[in-house]
This record gives sequence, C-alpha cells and structure tokens, in this order.
Amino acid sequence: QKEVEQNSGPLSVPEGAIASLNCTYSDRGSQSFFWYRQYSGKSPELIMSIYSNGDKEDGRFTAQLNKASQYVSLLIRDSQPSDSATYLCAVKPLVETSGSRLTFGEGTQLTVNP
Amino acid sequence: GAVVSQHPSWVICKSGTSVKIECRSLDFQATTMFWYRQFPKQSLMLMATSNEGSKATYEQGVEKDKFLINHASLTLSTLTVTSAHPEDSSFYICSAEGPNNQPQHFGDGTRLSIL
Repeated sequence: QKEVEQNSGPLSVPEGAIASLNCTYSDRGSQSFFWYRQYSGKSPELIMSIYSNGDKEDGRFTAQLNKASQYVSLLIRDSQPSDSATYLCAVKPLVETSGSRLTFGEGTQLTVNP
Repeated sequence: GAVVSQHPSWVICKSGTSVKIECRSLDFQATTMFWYRQFPKQSLMLMATSNEGSKATYEQGVEKDKFLINHASLTLSTLTVTSAHPEDSSFYICSAEGPNNQPQHFGDGTRLSIL
C-alpha cells in the first residue's frame, strides 16, 4: 500500500463546476496535511494546509480532513480553466518534528474545460 | 507570503562541468531545506534534507559525493552537481521550511540540461 494515495485521474470538469480531489494516507500518526498545485513545467505551489479534523476554507478552495478515516480532500468551487494543473497531496508525520520529510501522493491531473 | 528564491532558472552546460544551484528563503529563516528532482511526467523525488550548520541527510540511492549540499546559513542552501553528465539532466527544485511546523515553500526550480 502506498503511503499517500490520490485518484490517479485525469479529472475533467466543466468551467464553473466543483472539482473534488481525494487523498488517503496510511500513517495514522500523521499530523499535518497539505495541498500543492503544480502547473506543467513549474514547481509546486502551496494551496492549503490543514492540521485538525473538519473543513478549512480559503476563497474557492476547501480542504477537508478526517483523521479517523485517514482521508483528506480538496474541493475547488467555481472551477476555472486556470485551475487546470496537477494537485499534489502531501502528508507530514509528526507536528512536533519540524523538518521531517513530506510524503507526496502521485498527484491528480485536473482539467477544467471552458 | 513565504518566498523562496532559486537560481539559476535554467542551465545548459557540457558534460563534466560542475553546476551550483542556490536556494534562498527571502522573508523567513529556514530551519530546514529540501532538495528534490523531478523527471518529465514523474513525481517529485526527494534527494536530501539539509539543516543549517549540519551535514545533509541523503535519500537512499542519491550519491552524496555527486550532489554536494551546503546549508551555511538560515537563509541559504546550495546544491552542487559535480561532474554532471547527461543523465543528470532534470528539473531540480528546492523547498524551505521555517520553525513551528510551517509548510514547505518551493523555489521556482532549476532546469538543468547537460550536453
């Protein structure tokens, strides 16, 4: 079992729709969770961070975390063509240990069609 | 927001050349910096983790004598690819992390092409 698993995609949604990206992780001790966006040929850009169960909203983005189910998701409302990118789920094992490596999923490629 | 600057953006050089890549955290002190490599259409691969003032920790399979990492200050880490060969051609990306469990922020990456 992979440490961090994401829907392999590609995921295609029409402009204005809600895009839903999912991620599961295997290490139950994980404490910090991040979503990065990576455009083709560019480096990853931090979109959201979430540390406790529940929802966290930032503009059109909502991250959801359920530690009991070891599940984290990212919802993108009112999707725009500029949201077309690969979305990386990243998990960090211990909140007390700054500097511990992130474990990335393989990424989900999202295409928003005009 | 946190800014990480990486230079150069791209390098083209002959086989056998050594190439140095700089990574700077511009508005925060980076307790830890990370170096990744990414081949086309593949996932990020962590190469090494470096903490200021100490030796870098390399991932399995990464040659530490080939990829020299120096983290001399809380805002600067360098990666030197020594005697680079065409198979070292890749997209190299650094990231920096501040204290208190702050997220990692990535530099813009360096595209390295060895002829």
